[in-house]
Amino acid sequence: DVKVTQSSRYLVKRTGEKVFLECVQDMDHENMFWYRQDPGLGLRLIYFSYDVKMKEKGDIPEGYSVSREKKERFSLILESASTNQTSMYLCASTTRHHGGNTEAFFGQGTRLTVV
Amino acid sequence: DQQVKQNSPSLSVQEGRISILNCDYTNSMFDYFLWYKKYPAEGPTFLISISSIKDKNEDGRFTVFLNKSAKHLSLHIVPSQPGDSAVYFCAASARTSYDKVIFGPGTSLSVIP
Repeated sequence: DVKVTQSSRYLVKRTGEKVFLECVQDMDHENMFWYRQDPGLGLRLIYFSYDVKMKEKGDIPEGYSVSREKKERFSLILESASTNQTSMYLCASTTRHHGGNTEAFFGQGTRLTVV
Repeated sequence: DQQVKQNSPSLSVQEGRISILNCDYTNSMFDYFLWYKKYPAEGPTFLISISSIKDKNEDGRFTVFLNKSAKHLSLHIVPSQPGDSAVYFCAASARTSYDKVIFGPGTSLSVIP
C-alpha cells in the first residue's frame, strides 16, 4: 500500500514564525506536490517537485519555499507565517507511467492555524 | 487562469438516482484525467481515471465520460448512495509537464436518503 505521511495533523503557529511541513512517501515516486485547500477554491498547487533537488512553482508559491534533498521527502517552508496562510495543507506523490496511470496519492493533511 | 473548472459548487441528489458531476478544462495538452473524493479532515482519495485516448471508463457504480473536442468530462454515479456525499475533485495531468496534477475547485455532492 502506498503511504504518504505528513508530520502533523494539526499545527498552531504565531505570525512571523518559520514553519516546516514535512511529507514522506514510501513508494519511490518521482513526483511530489504541496497543495492547499480552502473553501470554494479547491486544491491549489503551491509547489511541485519532479526529481530530487528539482522544483517548480505552482499557482500560489508566494510566501512559501520547498526542499527536496531526498527522493522520499518533500518539505514545505513558510518563511514568515501570516494569518492568510491558515489552511489545510495536502502533500501528494505520483509516479510517472508514461501514457498510463499517474494517480496521485495523498497524505492525511495538516490543518495549520496562524494566530 | 483556472485550467480545470467545475462550475457547480454543489449538487443534491436523491438516494438511488443518478449523480452527474461535470468538469471542463482548457489545456489541450492534458492527456490523463482523474476524479477524487474527499471527506472533511481527510486527504482526497482516488476514484476513477481516464486516458485521453478513451472516451469512457467504468468501475462499478462510477463511470467517467470524456469529450475531447469539447474539453469536457463528467462523472456519473448510479445509483447514488448517502455514503457518496463528499466533495468531488476533477483533476488533469500532461506528460509534457512531468505529469503535474492540476485540480479543479470541487463539487460538493449531497445524497439525500
